[in-house]
Amino acid sequence: NAGVTQTPKFQVLKTGQSMTLQCAQDMNHEYMSWYRQDPGMGLRLIHYSVGAGITDQGEVPNGYNVSRSTTEDFPLRLLSAAPSQTSVYFCASSQQNQETQYFGPGTRLLVL
Amino acid sequence: EDQVTQSPEALRLQEGESSSLNCSYTVSGLRGLFWYRQDPGKGPEFLFTLYSAGEEKEKERLKATLTKKESFLHITAPKPEDSATYLCAVQSSGGYQKVTFGTGTKLQVIP
Repeated sequence: NAGVTQTPKFQVLKTGQSMTLQCAQDMNHEYMSWYRQDPGMGLRLIHYSVGAGITDQGEVPNGYNVSRSTTEDFPLRLLSAAPSQTSVYFCASSQQNQETQYFGPGTRLLVL
Repeated sequence: EDQVTQSPEALRLQEGESSSLNCSYTVSGLRGLFWYRQDPGKGPEFLFTLYSAGEEKEKERLKATLTKKESFLHITAPKPEDSATYLCAVQSSGGYQKVTFGTGTKLQVIP
């Protein structure tokens, strides 16, 4: 099993550009989440999904969209990038309701 | 609002020097408390889940304990490979069981 994979590993954007961060898992987990990690702050939940076709907002959802068309994939879209979205983004999945989350390697995003 | 506070922010130990990391929390109904290890440039890696006060779990040189207000991660005779940031998180019960993370303790073990 590859576990949770994320692409790209690193991305530089200009303010106003849009992009999609990819996340995939091969463990047949129902629950998937997107977090951002900033210096001096804990991981913060952006959006989450409890199954294919079901998504909801987390703690810091503004400026991001998600969709879940399959169990395996959970992409995160930045609609119009802003410097405040410079961060490290982690995708995570879990079999049951957020117990034991498995994290991907992260995407480092720099918005200029 | 659920809160997690970890201390110290950073800890430097000599190899073999045992110590403890602290995680204090406030949560509206604890479903579980998690410990993760995060190496630089990588995603968090699951270590333990604790569910109720008095519970203890061990893995190699690590032992996690839980009370009603805090959790400790005890590191016995650490080795340089134990150097990492250790994250604590709590999951509240009721509705979507949101997980709240602390900011972590950065541990450095010197040979």
